[in-house]
Amino acid sequence: KNEVEQSPQNLTAQEGEFITINCSYSVGISALHWLQQHPGGGIVSLFMLSSGKKKHGRLIATINIQEKHSSLHITASHPRDSAVYICAVRYAGNLIFGKGTKLSVKP
Amino acid sequence: NAGVTQTPKFQVLKTGQSMTLQCAQDMNHEYMSWYRQDPGMGLRLIHYSVGAGITDQGEVPNGYNVSRSTTEDFPLRLLSAAPSQTSVYFCASSIDRGLEQYFGPGTRLTVT
Repeated sequence: KNEVEQSPQNLTAQEGEFITINCSYSVGISALHWLQQHPGGGIVSLFMLSSGKKKHGRLIATINIQEKHSSLHITASHPRDSAVYICAVRYAGNLIFGKGTKLSVKP
Repeated sequence: NAGVTQTPKFQVLKTGQSMTLQCAQDMNHEYMSWYRQDPGMGLRLIHYSVGAGITDQGEVPNGYNVSRSTTEDFPLRLLSAAPSQTSVYFCASSIDRGLEQYFGPGTRLTVT
C-alpha cells in the first residue's frame, strides 16, 4: 500500500512547455513537501505547504487538503529542469515519500 | 556554511563487515535523519533524532544503529552488512522536525 502516489512516473517535454506533476495521498497530513533530485543525486527542498498555493520563480505548488491532492507546475520549462521531482507528506511527525516523477525537458 | 556533509561518497563492503556512515551539519539544526533510497521506491526513514541524546526508529531500522552525542553529528552504523543494505543513503537535517529538510549529497553503499 502506497500512502503517496505520484503521476506520471516519467514525463518528457519540449522546452517551453507547461508541466504538471501530480501527488495524491491517503493519510491525514500536517504538511506536504516537494523536492527535486538532480541527475547527480543531490536532493533539494522546493516547497513546503499545508494549504493553498506557493510560487517560486517558474515553479508553482498547490494543495487541496479536502481532496488529498497536490500539484507541482513548471512554467516555460527548460532543459535544466530535468530532474526527479519527489512529493513527500508529513504524517505523525515524519516524512513519507512518493517514488518520484522523472522529468526530461528536450531543447 | 558547508550545510550537511556525508562521508564516504562511495563504499563497497563484504557481507558481515561493519562500518559507520558519517553525517555532520553546521547549521545548528536539532532534527537529523537518515534515509535510504532504493530503485523503484521512495526514500525510507531509517532513524531520526530530535536533538542531542535523543534518537528513535523510523520505518526500516533493522540492521542499523545511531547515536547523537552532539548537535552536529549523527553517524549511522551498519552492524553486520548484508546485500539487502545495498542502497544510497541520505542524511538530512532541519531546524525543527516539522520544517524543511536539508539533504546531504548521499553515500552509495554496495554490499557484496
